[in-house]
Formats: sequence, C-alpha cells, structure tokens
Amino acid sequence: AQTVTQSQPEMSVQEAETVTLSCTYDTSESNYYLFWYKQPPSRQMILVIRQEAYKQQNATENRFSVNFQKAAKSFSLKISDSQLGDTAMYFCAFMGFSGSARQLTFGSGTQLTVLP
Amino acid sequence: KAGVTQTPRYLIKTRGQQVTLSCSPISGHRSVSWYQQTPGQGLQFLFEYFSETQRNKGNFPGRFSGRQFSNSRSEMNVSTLELGDSALYLCASSRTGEYTGELFFGEGSRLTVL
Repeated sequence: AQTVTQSQPEMSVQEAETVTLSCTYDTSESNYYLFWYKQPPSRQMILVIRQEAYKQQNATENRFSVNFQKAAKSFSLKISDSQLGDTAMYFCAFMGFSGSARQLTFGSGTQLTVLP
Repeated sequence: KAGVTQTPRYLIKTRGQQVTLSCSPISGHRSVSWYQQTPGQGLQFLFEYFSETQRNKGNFPGRFSGRQFSNSRSEMNVSTLELGDSALYLCASSRTGEYTGELFFGEGSRLTVL
C-alpha cells in the first residue's frame, strides 16, 4: 500500500515571498503520478500541478513548481510570488498504475496562509 | 462547461437512518470516484465507477455503497448511519478512455449525523 506524508500541518508566508511545501511518499511501484491539490475555504479541490514519475524534468505551472526526487521519494511544491488567493489547504497525492489505479492516496494536508 | 455537481450540499441525519448522495460528472466523463473527508482520517477513497461498473473499492464497511447510471451520474448510499459517518463527501470525475491521472472534484456534500 502507498503512503503519503506531509509533515507540515501549517505554514505561513508573506505576500510576494516564496514558500516550499514538503511531501514524501512510499511505494513499491515504478510508475505513477504525483499531484498537488489545493482546497480553498470554498472546499472545491483544484489540481495545482501533476508530475509523471517516468519524467525526470520537474513540472512547472506558472508560479508553481515541484522538486521531484524519485530515489528519495520526495515531492515538494514551491510557490513563488505568493498571493493572498493562494491561502488554502494543500494536499499531496499519489496515484499508481497497478490495482490501485485511478485511486488517489492523499497526505494529511498543509494549511498555507499568505499574509498581507 | 459545467463542473462536477453534487447534491445536496448539506444534510443532517440521525443515527440509524440512511442517506443517498448524488454526483453529476462533467459532460463526457465516464469515471466517477467518491472520497470521504474528515478532520481525523483526512481524505479516504471510497469507490470508483466506470461505465456503470465498480472498478475499485476502498476499505469501508458494506454500509457504504454506490452505483452509476447510464448517463454517468452516480449515487452513493450510506445505511444505518453512525456518528463517525459525519464528513464531507467528495465526488470526482475523469475523462473516458485511457487513464490520465487527473480528477475534477465537486464541492462536496456535508453530512452531519446526530
């Protein structure tokens, strides 16, 4: 079974600064997807960024980028130029290709607050 | 394009009752998944349906069940409600065809069991 660990329950950052959210995972699979989802106070979960494990290049989406270290099973999210609208709960998630395919395993989440 | 729609958004039930939650996926999406979100257990996978067939099931008791209709809409049912079933139930849909890994979530149904 896969596990996803987010060791930072809460974080805060000043507006326009950069913040990094940590995530580690454990799996025996060699191919899989990793995700960062954002859940604002309105509760709808939104995909922030996705990384395919077979791709060595780190994914980037505008101000959001990841540092994917496959050997270390680490998948951190960097948010640059933080904005007030980035305030949300952030979940790291894993999806494999084997029997658990199409099933997301989530971490416990990191509550990020962007301060004005 | 309309997003994933879940109804009802809020509901209150008492122990022993049953509840049915509904999910309408994004048009063209044939896969629907359900997740339970609680402060204590976090987000946990319930089940996934594709073309009216349950493809995958999480570690929940048989009181939790679901189904999918020919129009891809899905319902989940919880019978004999317990206090611990109080949670936000999230539905997510994904496209047809090969697995892509991206799920689109609804806003959830907040169930309170008294």
